[in-house]
Amino acid sequence: EDQVTQSPEALRLQEGESSSLNCSYTVSGLRGLFWYRQDPGKGPEFLFTLYSAGEEKEKERLKATLTKKESFLHITAPKPEDSATYLCALSRGSQGNLIFGKGTKLSVKP
Amino acid sequence: DVKVTQSSRYLVKRTGEKVFLECVQDMDHENMFWYRQDPGLGLRLIYFSYDVKMKEKGDIPEGYSVSREKKERFSLILESASTNQTSMYLCASSQGGLDSPLHFGNGTRLTVT
Repeated sequence: EDQVTQSPEALRLQEGESSSLNCSYTVSGLRGLFWYRQDPGKGPEFLFTLYSAGEEKEKERLKATLTKKESFLHITAPKPEDSATYLCALSRGSQGNLIFGKGTKLSVKP
Repeated sequence: DVKVTQSSRYLVKRTGEKVFLECVQDMDHENMFWYRQDPGLGLRLIYFSYDVKMKEKGDIPEGYSVSREKKERFSLILESASTNQTSMYLCASSQGGLDSPLHFGNGTRLTVT
């Protein structure tokens, strides 16, 4: 059975304190691993898609990496505006049918 | 930018009522989805559709049905609302294909009393 597990559930950082969020997964054949950001009261917003082990993608202070069993979302020198819940999801088919992890709630204090 | 619009931000309904949640997307996307989001359970897929008049069950379809009469509109129907259907409901659309991201609406917070 396809499964996505995110850790930690919550992470509190000081502004400028770099860290990583983890997404471990089990899947019979990886078709795509997605990262989303969700702000309170809003729907998730797409960040990255990764398809194969060794792949990396960057956007501003965020970098997503992928191994055969895990993905990491690295946050470098975070700012308070990076505070949000970050969701990891696996593609289960060719039409964008995703299974989501429960998310990591990130709080960045000034 | 893709816009996915959910008709209501907040809804309060009584047990046993028939409830309609409406979703419209403006980018001619092929695929549309309904998820519910609950604390500690994350997002769970209820139903999805790859084409007009076509629907597929997701992980938790019991107690729900859907309608897609036009490409841009996807409705979620609670046939007889129950208190355990109190949740945040999120609609999403995508163009299709492995690298096509989901675009979400801002959700409808449904309370069933």
